[in-house]
Amino acid sequence: AQKVTQAQTEISVVEKEDVTLDCVYETRDTTYYLFWYKQPPSGELVFLIRRNSFDEQNEISGRYSWNFQKSTSSFNFTITASQVVDSAVYFCALSEDDTSGTYKYIFGTGTRLKVLA
Amino acid sequence: DAEITQSPRHKITETGRQVTLACHQTWNHNNMFWYRQDLGHGLRLIHYSYGVQDTNKGEVSDGYSVSRSNTEDLPLTLESAASSQTSVYFCASSEYGSGRNEQFFGPGTRLTVL
Repeated sequence: AQKVTQAQTEISVVEKEDVTLDCVYETRDTTYYLFWYKQPPSGELVFLIRRNSFDEQNEISGRYSWNFQKSTSSFNFTITASQVVDSAVYFCALSEDDTSGTYKYIFGTGTRLKVLA
Repeated sequence: DAEITQSPRHKITETGRQVTLACHQTWNHNNMFWYRQDLGHGLRLIHYSYGVQDTNKGEVSDGYSVSRSNTEDLPLTLESAASSQTSVYFCASSEYGSGRNEQFFGPGTRLTVL
């Protein structure tokens, strides 16, 4: 069965600190997709990144980087030199294709990041 | 620009009343989803649709129904509202195809059932 665990409920850091948000997943499929979404205080969820199970290459986008490790079933998200605007709830999600041609999408419980000035 | 809208943004209702939350997307996406967000539970899937006339139950579908008569709209109905259905509801859509497609979310509807 699918499962996404974000063990960190809330993290507080001081501006300019680096912070890593953990995501651990469970799946029986060999083909699956992992996502990160950001939910700022305004409430709307915003897509950040997608990774498929065959691509373990880490990705960097500005101050954001993602570390995908199949060996530990983890897809962690690091923000370098955090800023107040990074304050948000971050969700990790897993999707896998069903044999019926559909797919299941499941979210973790989210990590609330507070960046203090 | 394409978008996904929800209405109303805030709703207060009484226990036992029927409530319908609207979701409209202009992405021309086949797939549409309804989630509820509660503290400690993250986002939980209520119902989803892969196209017109197609609807499927999600993880927490009891007490909710949906219908899909066109590509753009997926209204969510609470048949008889209960206090346990007080939550923030999000509608989302994605392109047809595999689970590789990201979901685009609406702004959410905050529902309070008294």
